[in-house]
Parts: sequence; C-alpha cells; structure tokens
Amino acid sequence: DAGVIQSPRHEVTEMGQEVTLRCKPISGHNSLFWYRQTMMRGLELLIYFNNNVPIDDSGMPEDRFSAKMPNASFSTLKIQPSEPRDSAVYFCASSLVQGGSTQYFGPGTRLTVL
Amino acid sequence: GENVEQHPSTLSVQEGDSAVIKCTYSDSASNYFPWYKQELGKRPQLIIDIRSNVGEKKDQRIAVTLNKTAKHFSLHITETQPEDSAVYFCAATTGNQFYFGTGTSLTVIP
Repeated sequence: DAGVIQSPRHEVTEMGQEVTLRCKPISGHNSLFWYRQTMMRGLELLIYFNNNVPIDDSGMPEDRFSAKMPNASFSTLKIQPSEPRDSAVYFCASSLVQGGSTQYFGPGTRLTVL
Repeated sequence: GENVEQHPSTLSVQEGDSAVIKCTYSDSASNYFPWYKQELGKRPQLIIDIRSNVGEKKDQRIAVTLNKTAKHFSLHITETQPEDSAVYFCAATTGNQFYFGTGTSLTVIP
C-alpha cells in the first residue's frame, strides 16, 4: 500500500487566492483526519470524517475553511480566501473506524501564503 | 473533552544515555495511547503504542509504561543514538479522535 497520499506537497500562493489541498487515505480505512501544524500551535485537529461523514469540525478556524469527502478514497480541504496566517503544514491522516485504531499520516502539504 | 499534557518540551541527552518523556491525560475512559516520532520536515510516524489493559510494552530500545490510576504514561528510550533526535508526540483517545500532547524536542548529543 502506498500509504496516505497528499497533494500538492508544497503550495505557494498569494493572499486572497483559493487553495485546495487533496488527500487519498489508505485503502480500507474509513476515518480521515485533517490536521494543521505550526510552531506556535503545534498539531491541531481541524476536522475528521467517519465513513465520509464529517463528525467533528470544531477545529476548523473559520468559515474560510471547508472540507469535503465525496467518497471513501478522496478528501479536500479548501481555504478561500487564503491569508498569510494560514501558512502551515497541513497533514491528512487515516485510520479504521474503531476505538483505538492507529492513525497513519500523509507526507503533508507545506502551504505558504504571501 | 480529553486534555493531554506532555513534559518536558525540550530534552537534551548524551549519546548512550536514556531519555524519558511523560504525558498525563484527563479522561479516565481513554484506552489507547500511541507515541509518534516526527523528524524535521517529515510526517509524524507511530513508534509504539499501548492499550489500557497493559501496563508496559517494549520494542527494542523503546518502551512505554501506563499508570491508569494516576492517568499518566511515559516513553523511555534507552541507549540513545543521534538518529533518535526528533520531536516526539504522545496521544490519548477513547475512540477515533486523538488528543495530542504538545511535543518534546529530543536532541541526542554525540
């Protein structure tokens, strides 16, 4: 298995532009998590899905952020409009839907908003 | 919800010495405690985990201990090597959502 796949790996954009991050979970995993990592805030959970349904989006910073999971093998995290303070590494992780199941992280997308 | 605290935030040890990182959690229903290692510029990767029905687990130079009564768990690395230098995160969960500690930056000095 290729593991969790994220694209792009790096994204540089200008303030006000729309940014879309993509994630393909491990085949067979039915929980998917989006995290943001910065030096100041560490690792923050933004949203997670079970069986393609958003379960907890309380970590989404504001309405500029939205996430979708149209099917079991694909999810997107969109920022519109982007701001410099959104610069961070965004990780996607996946696991099985069961208590105490390990999460496996993707390689991350390093986002820089100028 | 769950609250996980991790100490210390930074740790420097001489090569060959042991390193210990401690975490506490608040929700007594938490039943799974993974530890992740994140090297610079890389993703967090699972290095060891422990479930609530076990008090200790060992894998070569790393071990994890769990004290459910006190609600704390610890990572022990023996005979540290320079390649152990990284940020280590603990986590606790009662189900799907992981609650991560704030991380410990470990530096092993050759």
